Amino acid sequence: GESVGLHLPTLSVQEGDNSIINCAYSNSASDYFIWYKQESGKGPQFIIDIRSNMDKRQGQRVTVLLNKTVKHLSLQIAATQPGDSAVYFCAENMGGGKLIFGQGTELSVKP
Amino acid sequence: DSGVTQTPKHLITATGQRVTLRCSPRSGDLSVYWYQQSLDQGLQFLIQYYNGEERAKGNILERFSAQQFPDLHSELNLSSLELGDSALYFCASSVATGVTTEAFFGQGTRLTVV
Repeated sequence: GESVGLHLPTLSVQEGDNSIINCAYSNSASDYFIWYKQESGKGPQFIIDIRSNMDKRQGQRVTVLLNKTVKHLSLQIAATQPGDSAVYFCAENMGGGKLIFGQGTELSVKP
Repeated sequence: DSGVTQTPKHLITATGQRVTLRCSPRSGDLSVYWYQQSLDQGLQFLIQYYNGEERAKGNILERFSAQQFPDLHSELNLSSLELGDSALYFCASSVATGVTTEAFFGQGTRLTVV
């Protein structure tokens, strides 16, 4: 069935370093992907999205890369800050707001 | 603050009981989504309503039901509760239902079944 999974459950980085969080998806027909950030005690928060007709999209300090050949997504965070510590989810939008979430990667930023 | 309000924030109840979770979407949003987040299943889509009508269904148990009222707030009803229903329940809302429409999540209701 459909699934979106993350390669690493935890990631620890030094403040100021770049972070890369990976995600694999299984539905080759998927058209739209979103990265969410979830801080402790809060709901998921939209970070950045990408359509399947793009390979790369940049936001403020974040970049999402999409490799449709191997069905892989990555989220790159530049100059990681303590405030970036959270769980990051990739999600596949199946249409109508139905999101298929990956299992999440916990990012820990060491000062 | 996403603008989506969920009440209560915490709920503790016994097995076999029934509870109602409430969600007020952002002003102007017509679509409401419910998600369940548990340790073993992660974030799972349960159900979506758009302007009062059910629009999409996910992995929602028959013991669970939802509705969206004319004022667009939504309620998720969980009955015959089991220990395994303990989870965070999130509501999200969006202005439309298109694939690229951004959904905004509330802070969630933490349900503990004892």
